[in-house]
Amino acid sequence: AQRVTQPEKLLSVFKGAPVELKCNYSYSGSPELFWYVQYSRQRLQLLLRHISRESIKGFTADLNKGETSFHLKKPFAQEEDSAMYYCALSGGGTYKYIFGTGTRLKVLA
Amino acid sequence: DSGVTQTPKHLITATGQRVTLRCSPRSGDLSVYWYQQSLDQGLQFLIQYYNGEERAKGNILERFSAQQFPDLHSELNLSSLELGDSALYFCASSVGGPANTGELFFGEGSRLTVL
Repeated sequence: AQRVTQPEKLLSVFKGAPVELKCNYSYSGSPELFWYVQYSRQRLQLLLRHISRESIKGFTADLNKGETSFHLKKPFAQEEDSAMYYCALSGGGTYKYIFGTGTRLKVLA
Repeated sequence: DSGVTQTPKHLITATGQRVTLRCSPRSGDLSVYWYQQSLDQGLQFLIQYYNGEERAKGNILERFSAQQFPDLHSELNLSSLELGDSALYFCASSVGGPANTGELFFGEGSRLTVL
């Protein structure tokens, strides 16, 4: 069955410290992986997707098929990065678009 | 605003009642998704429609049903409501297509409170 696991409900880091938000998935096939973000009082929105191999707002995520992980990283956290982050998975065949339970990132001054 | 719109924003009702949540997708989007967000549960996928047809079903209760109309708006019907149905219900839309791997655009959600 498709599943997305985000083990941390809350992650607190100091400004300037590195950030890693963990995401593991289970999927029989070749999934598409995404990170979505919800800032305070804003809608949930796409941050990045693995097929684009892009860096958005300093964040990157590498798909590791061997470890079935798609961790989100940023070398130097900023206060404006404080938000709720969701890892998501989609793929052909079942057409489901599954989200993890989310990790709240708090960047402390 | 050509984004995803959901109505109502807030709804308070009693156990045993029936409610309908409405979603209008972004202009041009053919796919509509419904999610339930309860405390500590994350976004639970309920159901997806593409151009009027049901395409995927998640953990949707039999008391819940949905449909997508010819104008592409969608409704989620929740019946025989229980206290545990209290949650934030999100609608999202995407262009859709066979690969179903596009970006989802979310509405602001409908907060349902069952008393």
